[in-house]
Amino acid sequence: NAGVMQNPRHLVRRRGQEARLRCSPMKGHSHVYWYRQLPEEGLKFMVYLQKENIIDESGMPKERFSAEFPKEGPSILRIQQVVRGDSAAYFCASSPPVQGIQETQYFGPGTRLLVL
Amino acid sequence: QKEVEQNSGPLSVPEGAIASLNCTYSDRGSQSFFWYRQYSGKSPELIMSIYSNGDKEDGRFTAQLNKASQYVSLLIRDSQPSDSATYLCAFDPDFGNEKLTFGTGTRLTIIP
Repeated sequence: NAGVMQNPRHLVRRRGQEARLRCSPMKGHSHVYWYRQLPEEGLKFMVYLQKENIIDESGMPKERFSAEFPKEGPSILRIQQVVRGDSAAYFCASSPPVQGIQETQYFGPGTRLLVL
Repeated sequence: QKEVEQNSGPLSVPEGAIASLNCTYSDRGSQSFFWYRQYSGKSPELIMSIYSNGDKEDGRFTAQLNKASQYVSLLIRDSQPSDSATYLCAFDPDFGNEKLTFGTGTRLTIIP
């Protein structure tokens, strides 16, 4: 039973380029969450998606960042015109449909983005 | 701003002793609490979840929740060198809203 999959594991971009991060949730999970972890800091929530819907994007920067979770295929976190401050580890988590109480979120291995 | 406070450490504990990790949170309405372990350069992995006041035990790990004091802790008995990691506590600040708020983590080192 495969866990949450993310690719690429490492991504190097120059300032101004685009970064595209992918996440495939665990089998049977329909909820996807993206978190960002800056060096020596905790995880910060960015966005919560279900298939074809953005449920909560309150943690997402208003500009340059977007996320989607299409009907078919992985969830994509897209960062346009990257800047050095975007360098971080980006983790995707997934959970089964919520039934009353918060379901456990399982994390993928992360994508480490380095902006030169 | 709904927050989680953790002592960043580092916390050093001799092998075989009990490691005690603490976390306070700001939102009285929170219902779900989680402890994650994160090895350096790796992703967080779930250790324990707790939803009710009191203790919850799983092997060498015991989570304790006190909603009145807005306090959650994690005890690790018979600490092993492999327990050396950063421990993150997290809670659901808006019941049923699914997003988690994480603390900055406590770095634990088990000394052989």
